[in-house]
Amino acid sequence: EVQLVESGGALVQPGGSLRLSCAASGWTFSTYWMSWVRQAPGKGLEWVANIKEDGSEKYYVDSVKGRFTISRDNAKNSLYLQMNSLRAEDTALYYCARGGLQGASDLWGQGTMVSVSS
Amino acid sequence: DIQMTQSPSTLSASVGDRVIITCRVSQNINNWLAWYQQKPGKAPNVLIYKTSNLKSGVPSRFSGSGSGTEFTLTISSLQPDDFATYYCQQYNSYSLFTFGPGTKVDIK
Repeated sequence: EVQLVESGGALVQPGGSLRLSCAASGWTFSTYWMSWVRQAPGKGLEWVANIKEDGSEKYYVDSVKGRFTISRDNAKNSLYLQMNSLRAEDTALYYCARGGLQGASDLWGQGTMVSVSS
Repeated sequence: DIQMTQSPSTLSASVGDRVIITCRVSQNINNWLAWYQQKPGKAPNVLIYKTSNLKSGVPSRFSGSGSGTEFTLTISSLQPDDFATYYCQQYNSYSLFTFGPGTKVDIK
């Protein structure tokens, strides 16, 4: 089955760290740009980061630069988001997504919830 | 930064209505614009990419148009399954993607 499955979400204290994972299956993971997109409770979608097929290019929204790191392991068909110095405003459902339609995200996971609170 | 607006923010419509949602972008994005539908508790689903290309399997009642900095999503005859929130997204460069604030389509 063609799918993405996120994991790693949790309740974490402000200033803490978390690593999200996204497992891809049913398609050739190494040939697609990948993204992380988040959605705060009751709010809209916010792009977080992109990574090129081979991991050589990485881009971030300004609000997470220097705190979050996107990475991938093509041998394991997996995408990651290392999140450090977490803030309350990082509380959101985090989706991984495949850039399969000339860059538009054509495949999404179900999301994993990150809550930052003391 | 690229700013994006959508209008209206909420739209009340009836089954069979023609619905038009507008997305405005603060700079030229070379038509790299997509439209997503999101239902409560579900991940977004892409409907349209590169302004006017319908994703395979998406009903033909959905269409996209526009150029420059103004784009539209049209639903020609609203169906019960279409009540949802719609987002536009610019993806002109992999260094910066941006979503619009969303348009909620609900039942009149």
